[in-house]
Amino acid sequence: EAQVTQNPRYLITVTGKKLTVTCSQNMNHEYMSWYRQDPGLGLRQIYYSMNVEVTDKGDVPEGYKVSRKEKRNFPLILESPSPNQTSLYFCASSLSARAYYGYTFGSGTRLTVV
Amino acid sequence: GDSVTQMEGPVTLSEEAFLTINCTYTATGYPSLFWYVQYPGEGLQLLLKATKADDKGSNKGFEATYRKETTSFHLEKGSVQVSDSAVYFCALSGEGGGADGLTFGKGTHLIIQP
Repeated sequence: EAQVTQNPRYLITVTGKKLTVTCSQNMNHEYMSWYRQDPGLGLRQIYYSMNVEVTDKGDVPEGYKVSRKEKRNFPLILESPSPNQTSLYFCASSLSARAYYGYTFGSGTRLTVV
Repeated sequence: GDSVTQMEGPVTLSEEAFLTINCTYTATGYPSLFWYVQYPGEGLQLLLKATKADDKGSNKGFEATYRKETTSFHLEKGSVQVSDSAVYFCALSGEGGGADGLTFGKGTHLIIQP
């Protein structure tokens, strides 16, 4: 089944403790992206990647890192999480950067930083 | 920059009612337009799309027409069901190819009562 898999689904952590949210897709998609979803703000892009070793900042990149060493994986790294990063995170992938092909979204990771 | 404005919810309707969720956008040129749906506890799914002016996207009884003259992409359904209860997002991808991803509206929470 074609899908984007995120792990974990739920995570509670403490301020300052480094964490990684994994994202993997099995569709050989070139384009991958991370979004955060917050009440009243909708979805905002954090980082995106157009291909292996090519990443770029989205609208809200502060406090996050990403890497794209393999085509299928696009982990999101929070080096020193803070409470304002409590949010619902989604990974998405697409055949190419042209969004009209449609994005496939993962099921989400609900992160709470205390 | 690009932006999407959609009516804020929650929108509460009775089963079999007619649904309209308004969406207007600001973008240069001819963006591609999308409606995504998010069911409780799940990621976003592409509902329908339109890539040029006057195109009509349709799926699962939902329709939306790309109106360049009014910069709108309103979502409609003739007879809603309880199973349509979800959050609906209008989104656009810029004319340049969308390398920096989709721009989303804030989402409209739709509640259908039996």
